[in-house]
Amino acid sequence: GAGVSQSPRYKVAKRGQDVALRCDPISGHVSLFWYQQALGQGPEFLTYFQNEAQLDKSGLPSDRFFAERPEGSVSTLKIQRTQQEDSAVYLCASSLGGDSLEKLFFGSGTQLSVL
Amino acid sequence: QQQVKQSPQSLIVQKGGISIINCAYENTAFDYFPWYQQFPGKGPALLIAIRPDVSEKKEGRFTISFNKSAKQFSLHIMDSQPGDSATYFCAAIGSTGTASKLTFGTGTRLQVTL
Repeated sequence: GAGVSQSPRYKVAKRGQDVALRCDPISGHVSLFWYQQALGQGPEFLTYFQNEAQLDKSGLPSDRFFAERPEGSVSTLKIQRTQQEDSAVYLCASSLGGDSLEKLFFGSGTQLSVL
Repeated sequence: QQQVKQSPQSLIVQKGGISIINCAYENTAFDYFPWYQQFPGKGPALLIAIRPDVSEKKEGRFTISFNKSAKQFSLHIMDSQPGDSATYFCAAIGSTGTASKLTFGTGTRLQVTL
C-alpha cells in the first residue's frame, strides 16, 4: 500500500477482554513505532522496532501490553485484560531507517473503546 | 514528566490572520524539532521541521522560529486559511539516550474562521 495501514479502524471491547491491533507499515520501512493518543492529548511513545527487533519498550504502560513484529514487516500490538484507561487511539508509524526518524509516516490509528 | 510544553491549547484566527503556536522543551539532548498537523480521524502528518543550528525555517506560509538559549520554538502560519483548521503538535527528538524517541506536545486545536 501507499501508506501505513492499521486495522481495525475501531474496536470496542468489554473490560477484561484481550484485543489485537494490526499495523502494516510502508513497504521497506525498517523502523516501526507504536504510540498511544488519549483524547485531546499528544501521542505518547509505547514501543519501537527496528526490523524484527524490539529495541525500546519503555513506553508500554504495563505488562498487559505486548507488541511483536516477527518477520520485520507487519506488527501487532496486543492488550490483555483491557481496562477502561486503555481507551485511546493507537497509532502506528514507520520510517525508512534508524537515521530517518524525522521522516515518520503515521497511520490513521485504531480507536479502542473499553466499556 | 512532560518534556515538551505547548500553548495555547486552542486558537481561533480569522481568515488571513497569523496563527502562532509556542513550544518549550527541557531536554537539551533534543536536536530535531518537527511540527505535525492532524485532521480528525487521521494520523499526524509532518508539516515542517527545524534543527537547532538555524534560528528560522520557512516553507510557504509556515515558519518555525527557534530560540536555542531559551529552549523554545514556535510555529507561525501566515495568511491562515479555513483548510488550516486542524490540531497542531510540536515534537522533539534527539539521537541518543532518553531523547531518542519522538516526544510530542499536548497539541493546539486551530480554528480558522471566515
